[in-house]
Amino acid sequence: GAVVSQHPSRVICKSGTSVKIECRSLDFQATTMFWYRQFPKKSLMLMATSNEGSKATYEQGVEKDKFLINHASLTLSTLTVTSAHPEDSSFYICSASGLAGTYEQYFGPGTRLTVT
Amino acid sequence: SQKIEQNSEALNIQEGKTATLTCNYTNYSPAYLQWYRQDPGRGPVFLLLIRENEKEKRKERLKVTFDTTLKQSLFHITASQPADSATYLCALDNSNDYKLSFGAGTTVTVRA
Repeated sequence: GAVVSQHPSRVICKSGTSVKIECRSLDFQATTMFWYRQFPKKSLMLMATSNEGSKATYEQGVEKDKFLINHASLTLSTLTVTSAHPEDSSFYICSASGLAGTYEQYFGPGTRLTVT
Repeated sequence: SQKIEQNSEALNIQEGKTATLTCNYTNYSPAYLQWYRQDPGRGPVFLLLIRENEKEKRKERLKVTFDTTLKQSLFHITASQPADSATYLCALDNSNDYKLSFGAGTTVTVRA
């Protein structure tokens, strides 16, 4: 149980275009989903917390207009990187929590974004 | 400022030995601390959670300790196997909110 999928696994896009990444909880309802970014050999950096049906909460320094998050259902959250630049190239990972009374997070396999 | 520090970036050990990883934190008041495993190019996988009122937790060949006075957690992999080779991340909350902060990880390589 507690499987989270992410799509796409890899994406290459040109500067100035937008990219959407989907995160789905496959076998449980995720009341909260989290979006992280990870640079090579670095820790996961939390970008935003997303609760179903409400606006995402962004961490300090993360531009909400650049990284649009939508959590339309209890099983789906999307991250859209708008007007992508090469410095947005990174590994983006989502996670979900929501199993009652638990604090662990279940991570998706990640999306490698390369902006050319 | 808040910091989570994990010991040396890399740990190389012989198969069958015990790997011991440390996680020290500063300016956090975690209600629980978690350990995750991450393989290259993959998302982290949850391993163990230990609460602030627990001293030790075990799961198969894994053991975690949590000392809130020292502000430290130790993670042990006993009877290590080459398949245990991965990066291990510690993560903690701050005062019982659901958000996690992660350490940079320790990469363990187990030699056959």
